[in-house]
Amino acid sequence: SQQGEEDPQALSIQEGENATMNCSYKTSINNLQWYRQNSGRGLVHLILIRSNEREKHSGRLRVTLDTSKKSSSLLITASRAADTASYFCALRNAGGTSYGKLTFGQGTILTVHP
Amino acid sequence: ETGVTQTPRHLVMGMTNKKSLKCEQHLGHNAMYWYKQSAKKPLELMFVYNFKEQTENNSVPSRFSPECPNSSHLFLHLHTLQPEDSALYLCASSRAGGSGGFRTDTQYFGPGTRLTVL
Repeated sequence: SQQGEEDPQALSIQEGENATMNCSYKTSINNLQWYRQNSGRGLVHLILIRSNEREKHSGRLRVTLDTSKKSSSLLITASRAADTASYFCALRNAGGTSYGKLTFGQGTILTVHP
Repeated sequence: ETGVTQTPRHLVMGMTNKKSLKCEQHLGHNAMYWYKQSAKKPLELMFVYNFKEQTENNSVPSRFSPECPNSSHLFLHLHTLQPEDSALYLCASSRAGGSGGFRTDTQYFGPGTRLTVL
């Protein structure tokens, strides 16, 4: 099954700046999710966007989905040093025998400097 | 990370040892997962259990043996591992529902077990 490809692989910014991460994929999806992982810890779910949605917000997070381009972006506004983590997109494919399974990308490592 | 616990948090074992990883979820979910996370690789799904039944085995070597005695507990039994099996092993759970399949809209992860095979 496919996995999302995140870009960039690493991003380094100053506190207060916005951070944008992108995820591209190849086949049809039911939904796309973004997760965050602090170093050596478990993943934490941030936001889910369904294939019939184009944009979702949660606090300082904004996710967009363009199914025609098969891509999604995660924007973190007014970043803080505590946002330093790895961010992963996860795909739930539409249909097929692997329904219900999430496929994770390699992630974007975000570093926010105080 | 709250709601899903994993023990031990760190494990060092030799290639001839037998050990088990434990995962417990307190969220009332009925789907549970084992993932392997190695450096510079995407998260790899290993096993999926839905209502205690294994529904996915992602071509995992037999030296990894899962066990799901009930919807709240998941084990990963390890034996004769290789050094390349060293990784962070993550457990997750989600709500399942619907006939003929299940929805994994959100997965909740444990903190992981850092495994080192010498």
